[in-house]
Amino acid sequence: DTAVSQTPKYLVTQMGNDKSIKCEQNLGHDTMYWYKQDSKKFLKIMFSYNNKELIINETVPNRFSPKSPDKAHLNLHINSLELGDSAVYFCASSQGQGTGESNQPQHFGDGTRLSIL
Amino acid sequence: QKEVEQDPGPLSVPEGAIVSLNCTYSNSAFQYFMWYRQYSRKGPELLMYTYSSGNKEDGRFTAQVDKSSKYISLFIRDSQPSDSATYLCAMKAGFQKLVFGTGTRLLVSP
Repeated sequence: DTAVSQTPKYLVTQMGNDKSIKCEQNLGHDTMYWYKQDSKKFLKIMFSYNNKELIINETVPNRFSPKSPDKAHLNLHINSLELGDSAVYFCASSQGQGTGESNQPQHFGDGTRLSIL
Repeated sequence: QKEVEQDPGPLSVPEGAIVSLNCTYSNSAFQYFMWYRQYSRKGPELLMYTYSSGNKEDGRFTAQVDKSSKYISLFIRDSQPSDSATYLCAMKAGFQKLVFGTGTRLLVSP
């Protein structure tokens, strides 16, 4: 009965590879997010989607491409992985206001630990 | 200067102590204030959510917001070893993005 679930939990791969992370929420929320947490534990938003539409794109390199097939899923595809991409990636969700934005609290998954060799 | 400042700690206290965790911020437009708890190798878990100034209490946890000083606090009464975690403050202005502090690591010793 996990609310926000991400797969895989761990991802170890080589520089230059392409990889995807999946996220699903069963909270009935219509807004989903991707965050990056660096080695110093700083959490920074990358993207947000409301009802499958991109709302926030925080100047993330275009090697990162989110995809939302429906409002319960938000996947993250990363091309040509670089050493600096090593981090923990968190998916989150919240209930929007119907305007494409949300001031409701966000609920997080347990993260995907990405290590680039 | 970061929008949200938080002492990284670690903050070490004995079991039963009252813990005070704090954040300062620079953006006067912030209206929604949250505290998240993050255990090692887990995602942030929402503890408290407040709007505007004032206090909010939930069990052993009390959140305070002082917008005039741009200062928020989380108090934990009767702290337990299970409270050992990283505590992240987060805030947002209306429908803008959520901005996090860097987190304070709390260690409660038995």
